[in-house]
Amino acid sequence: GAVVSQHPSWVICKSGTSVKIECRSLDFQATTMFWYRQFPKQSLMLMATSNEGSKATYEQGVEKDKFLINHASLTLSTLTVTSAHPEDSSFYICSASMLRAEKLFFGSGTQLSVL
Amino acid sequence: GEDVEQSLFLSVREGDSSVINCTYTDSSSTYLYWYKQEPGAGLQLLTYIFSNMDMKQDQRLTVLLNKKDKHLSLRIADTQTGDSAIYFCAEIHTGGFKTIFGAGTRLFVKA
Repeated sequence: GAVVSQHPSWVICKSGTSVKIECRSLDFQATTMFWYRQFPKQSLMLMATSNEGSKATYEQGVEKDKFLINHASLTLSTLTVTSAHPEDSSFYICSASMLRAEKLFFGSGTQLSVL
Repeated sequence: GEDVEQSLFLSVREGDSSVINCTYTDSSSTYLYWYKQEPGAGLQLLTYIFSNMDMKQDQRLTVLLNKKDKHLSLRIADTQTGDSAIYFCAEIHTGGFKTIFGAGTRLFVKA
C-alpha cells in the first residue's frame, strides 16, 4: 500500500518556539493532504485540508495564523505550530490521498509536548 | 448533520470473535472504512466497503453494512492479543474527500 512518512515522531519544545512537522508521500503523488489533531482517548479532529499549490482550508475554530500549512509539492506538506504553548501539546497526524481516490493513507503521527 | 457513532469500549477473550459496531447519519456516504490505531501510532486502513455492498470478507475480518439502518459492523474472528487497539469507523463522501470519524472503540483482548 501507499506509504506516508511523518517526521518527527515526537518533539519537546519550549513555550513560545515554533515547531515544524513534515508529511511526505513516499510512493505516490498526494494531491490532497489532511492534518488532524488527536487528544488522549479521543477521535481525530480535522484541522485543515491542503491541496498542492493552493492555500489550505481550515476547519472552524482552527487558527490559521497559529497552524501554518504549506503544500508546496505533490509529495510534501508541512504543519508549523507557531509560538507554541502548553495547550498545543497533542498528537498530530497527517493523511494523504491521490487524485480521485477515496482512500486515505496516514502518517505515524507526531507527539508534541510544549513545556 | 454528519455524525458517526460507535461504542467506546469492548473486551473479549483471546480466540473469541469481536464485533465492533458503528452507526452513521449521512445516507450519501459512498465509502465506509475501518481503521486501526495502536498506541502512539497513526491510523492503519484495515478494510473498506462501498455503500452498494452488504458484506465484505477479508481473512479474519468481516464487514457488514445495513444501509437502511445506517449501521456498519466489523467482526474479527479468532481475536488475538495483537488485535488490542482502537478501531475507528469512518465515512467519506464522493468528491469531498472529507472523512468523518467516529470516536473510536477500544478493544481489549484478554489472554
